[in-house]
Amino acid sequence: DSGVTQTPKHLITATGQRVTLRCSPRSGDLSVYWYQQSLDQGLQFLIQYYNGEERAKGNILERFSAQQFPDLHSELNLSSLELGDSALYFCASSQGVGELFFGEGSRLTVL
Amino acid sequence: AQSVSQHNHHVILSEAASLELGCNYSYGGTVNLFWYVQYPGQHLQLLLKYFSGDPLVKGIKGFEAEFIKSKFSFNLRKPSVQWSDTAEYFCAVRSNDYKLSFGAGTTVTVRA
Repeated sequence: DSGVTQTPKHLITATGQRVTLRCSPRSGDLSVYWYQQSLDQGLQFLIQYYNGEERAKGNILERFSAQQFPDLHSELNLSSLELGDSALYFCASSQGVGELFFGEGSRLTVL
Repeated sequence: AQSVSQHNHHVILSEAASLELGCNYSYGGTVNLFWYVQYPGQHLQLLLKYFSGDPLVKGIKGFEAEFIKSKFSFNLRKPSVQWSDTAEYFCAVRSNDYKLSFGAGTTVTVRA
């Protein structure tokens, strides 16, 4: 158990819909990262937050957004979903620039 | 922008064989280097990391990696693999922009 909690574990929805994925970091970790893992794209960095502020941005689509709340949990919002958004979405947390601890992921299936 | 290249997409070997997975990165500044493992159906777990000091780092489960700065490489090794080492292995690099970039991953299949 890494200490990073992600919900939901599985999610099935239809194209055009919107979903929210939630992540609770390890106790004491200020940084939260979001990654998308798919068979054809591998593990893609989406975005990082540090203590509520966006710190780094990767290959995140405009239809996607994220935020980190004062209690340090984070949410990833995915809207206008397309079939190609089906993937495993991982959240990770870290203390500063240390190693990342990953959650078990949220598997999104868009039908 | 930094990039991470893993040389092998899929490696198949027998138990007790030696394993070496290549990883190269493109970034000229100071980097932190990591190897993560993802067992089937599980999340990524850290095998080992290099921040500074001895370029030969030892991780969990008998894995080690060597940082060769002149070659921009951080290859992972294990002298004798077990069936339980079947997993996907990811090399990752963090540079000054805080982003942790992953390679495409190498699937390792160990046959009993």
